[in-house]
Amino acid sequence: SQQGEEDPQALSIQEGENATMNCSYKTSINNLQWYRQNSGRGLVHLILIRSNEREKHSGRLRVTLDTSKKSSSLLITASRAADTASYFCATAIYGNNRLAFGKGNQVVVIP
Amino acid sequence: DAGVIQSPRHEVTEMGQEVTLRCKPISGHDYLFWYRQTMMRGLELLIYFNNNVPIDDSGMPEDRFSAKMPNASFSTLKIQPSEPRDSAVYFCASSFGRGPSGNTIYFGEGSWLTVV
Repeated sequence: SQQGEEDPQALSIQEGENATMNCSYKTSINNLQWYRQNSGRGLVHLILIRSNEREKHSGRLRVTLDTSKKSSSLLITASRAADTASYFCATAIYGNNRLAFGKGNQVVVIP
Repeated sequence: DAGVIQSPRHEVTEMGQEVTLRCKPISGHDYLFWYRQTMMRGLELLIYFNNNVPIDDSGMPEDRFSAKMPNASFSTLKIQPSEPRDSAVYFCASSFGRGPSGNTIYFGEGSWLTVV
């Protein structure tokens, strides 16, 4: 079954604004990863946060992880038109090499 | 690095025909994954290999689907016979070391399959 449910499912923002997406999951995880998919392309890894980490930054990306609430958030600051894409969270469960993806969250950044 | 290479990028085939999708993982990676993406079901893991050995094929939808990895640099996903409901984007991905439990996975650009 799929783990990782992103919320909101679709987001439309103006260039320069921040975009926040949330992801919830059901079971204990080893790590949680965020991926981006541009239209017609493969998924590109953005950031990995381990279960013992609470926050991680990478450029304009900020990811938080709350294992008590089984949730994560992805913040894109100062969004650009090039950030228009679908964003997926994916969870890796202890002892299991399956990476379970959520349904994706479509973000449109309007120039 | 060239990344994960998939072929063909696009394929249109008639129902009942055999379809073979190919994948070359990133050199040195010891895990290889086949995913399928559809609007309805999202991304589904079909099968994954570790050191060329199939580890988990529980996601393979039915006997019409088969996957092989004859060596560390090549894998195939075969559908025989194909059906319209197999229309989807098929992604190959690879990773190194502890696999997704510890590392990121790298995706190819996908093979867009349409069965008419």
